[in-house]
Amino acid sequence: GENVEQHPSTLSVQEGDSAVIKCTYSDSASNYFPWYKQELGKRPQLIIDIRSNVGEKKDQRIAVTLNKTAKHFSLHITETQPEDSAVYFCAARYSSASKIIFGSGTRLSIRP
Amino acid sequence: EAEVAQSPRYKITEKSQAVAFWCDPISGHATLYWYRQILGQGPELLVQFQDESVVDDSQLPKDRFSAERLKGVDSTLKIQPAELGDSAMYLCASSLTGNASPLHFGNGTRLTVT
Repeated sequence: GENVEQHPSTLSVQEGDSAVIKCTYSDSASNYFPWYKQELGKRPQLIIDIRSNVGEKKDQRIAVTLNKTAKHFSLHITETQPEDSAVYFCAARYSSASKIIFGSGTRLSIRP
Repeated sequence: EAEVAQSPRYKITEKSQAVAFWCDPISGHATLYWYRQILGQGPELLVQFQDESVVDDSQLPKDRFSAERLKGVDSTLKIQPAELGDSAMYLCASSLTGNASPLHFGNGTRLTVT
């Protein structure tokens, strides 16, 4: 079926440490993988995305890696800061109707 | 920066009543999506439009939900009759056409059914 699995559901890290969130998808034809950050009471906002022809993409403290063979992709946040506390969602664009399916989310907490 | 507009922001309704949500996508965005987000979960796609045509509504409970985008611009999502389990955030998003086009979300409508 069309689903995206995301782990862990909650993650607590010390400020300054790194955080990693992992997702797997089922459609080998998926070609676009965005990550969204959602703060409490606010809309999801795109923080980084990656296309299937790229293995890694970085934007300052945020990076995403993609392993097409294993059908999984990960979000890496380095030097975490209090403002990184939020719920993060991975997503994958499925080839059927080009629809975007979201994972169940990871609640990231940064401990001072 | 252009934004997706949604209204109302909050809606409280009694079960068995009808309710409607409105969305105006970013100008030029041909693809429009309605997602439902239950508290603590990821957004679930209800319906996707390409211009005025529905391209996916496989997860839309069609016995009570309907969606339209008559002129290929703004869209309305309706629930009739509302049930207690419909309480959720209803998010509208839009994107340009293309496989790598990101979704831009509106602020959503938080529906509470009593």
